[in-house]
Amino acid sequence: GENVEQHPSTLSVQEGDSAVIKCTYSDSASNYFPWYKQELGKGPQLIIDIRSNVGEKKDQRIAVTLNKTAKHFSLHITETQPEDSAVYFCAASHFNTDKLIFGTGTRLQVFP
Amino acid sequence: SAVISQKPSRDICQRGTSLTIQCQVDSQVTMMFWYRQQPGQSLTLIATANQGSEATYESGFVIDKFPISRPNLTFSTLTVSNMSPEDSSIYLCSVEYPTEGNTGELFFGEGSRLTVL
Repeated sequence: GENVEQHPSTLSVQEGDSAVIKCTYSDSASNYFPWYKQELGKGPQLIIDIRSNVGEKKDQRIAVTLNKTAKHFSLHITETQPEDSAVYFCAASHFNTDKLIFGTGTRLQVFP
Repeated sequence: SAVISQKPSRDICQRGTSLTIQCQVDSQVTMMFWYRQQPGQSLTLIATANQGSEATYESGFVIDKFPISRPNLTFSTLTVSNMSPEDSSIYLCSVEYPTEGNTGELFFGEGSRLTVL
């Protein structure tokens, strides 16, 4: 079955700096890769996703890149702000949201 | 977007008891899922709650331990049976909901934090 690894487990950056979180997956049949942000005491919220037919997607300060050959995808946050502090999860699945397999999470801290 | 309400938001339970978690969605959805998030860990899919039929369980989860109901397209329950301290987790209800320009997005409830003593 699918296995998703995520690095780093914790990440501390200064406000205004960029943050990069990386994930690798094992199943070459996976074609949907969402990223979720989970704030303390809340459920995860989708922030961006990418499908296997594109290599990059951007939404304001957030971007995701996908390398299907290497089976890895990354989340890039630019101009970080304190409110970006949260736990971020990557995930992968064969089709849409069916049986999403989540990474282990990255705790991002943005210091003012 | 879909608005998901979960009850209870948190509870402290005694070993050996059972607790039922309710999940209410503000619109009809076909796909509903239950996830478990152990303390400081990632999310693991327990089962897919199918309307009008039995839930589909993932490896490592069984119906006797986690019975699920799905009486209609807006509601589901998950019961954690015969609880032990190892069942202390956040249990999350989620639904797949179509969004503009997207074939489907997974929305999560706020979660139900269970502590078993």
